[in-house]
Amino acid sequence: DTGVSQDPRHKITKRGQNVTFRCDPISEHNRLYWYRQTLGQGPEFLTYFQNEAQLEKSRLLSDRFSAERPKGSFSTLEIQRTEQGDSAMYLCASSLARGGQRNEQYFGPGTRLTVT
Amino acid sequence: DAKTTQPNSMESNEEEPVHLPCNHSTISGTDYIHWYRQLPSQGPEYVIHGLTSNVNNRMASLAIAEDRKSSTLILHRATLRDAAVYYCILGYNNNDMRFGAGTRLTVKP
Repeated sequence: DTGVSQDPRHKITKRGQNVTFRCDPISEHNRLYWYRQTLGQGPEFLTYFQNEAQLEKSRLLSDRFSAERPKGSFSTLEIQRTEQGDSAMYLCASSLARGGQRNEQYFGPGTRLTVT
Repeated sequence: DAKTTQPNSMESNEEEPVHLPCNHSTISGTDYIHWYRQLPSQGPEYVIHGLTSNVNNRMASLAIAEDRKSSTLILHRATLRDAAVYYCILGYNNNDMRFGAGTRLTVKP
């Protein structure tokens, strides 16, 4: 257990439905990241937050995806109008960034989304 | 983005050393070399990182070539628990790590 939790662990939804995932990072960590991982591939970066500010978004994050971190603590990732291609593992990670130090990311167990 | 090349898979015997290679011929002067691993059904976990000098920690050693165009992750005595996918990642910072497909390590008892 890394201290990063994600909920739910599994989600099955029908195409066209909206889904929301939650990530609770390690409490003192100021950075929070979202990744998507499909079978046999490495995680793909989606977006990251420093405190409550969303600082970078990947081109992979289409306008159906939105992420928030309203109080700089937990974060949510919402997918609207899900498509079968959204089926993947969604991973959250957090880190404590101080100046220019290299700080490792701690990953949660992921939320596996299946869109039928 | 600088790219890394890793073998798709490797095998090792338990309690023997494992050397996992990574080529990164287009590495820039400011890129750090990060290694993460992903055990089955888990999120990735940090292993080690370095810039120019070889690095050691409790999990592994990282040997970096003098020209920095390649590196090797060394597990000194592989255990069954080390069976995982190992990712070699370049980046100036770790804000937007680009994972490749990694090397799947199988450890045989």
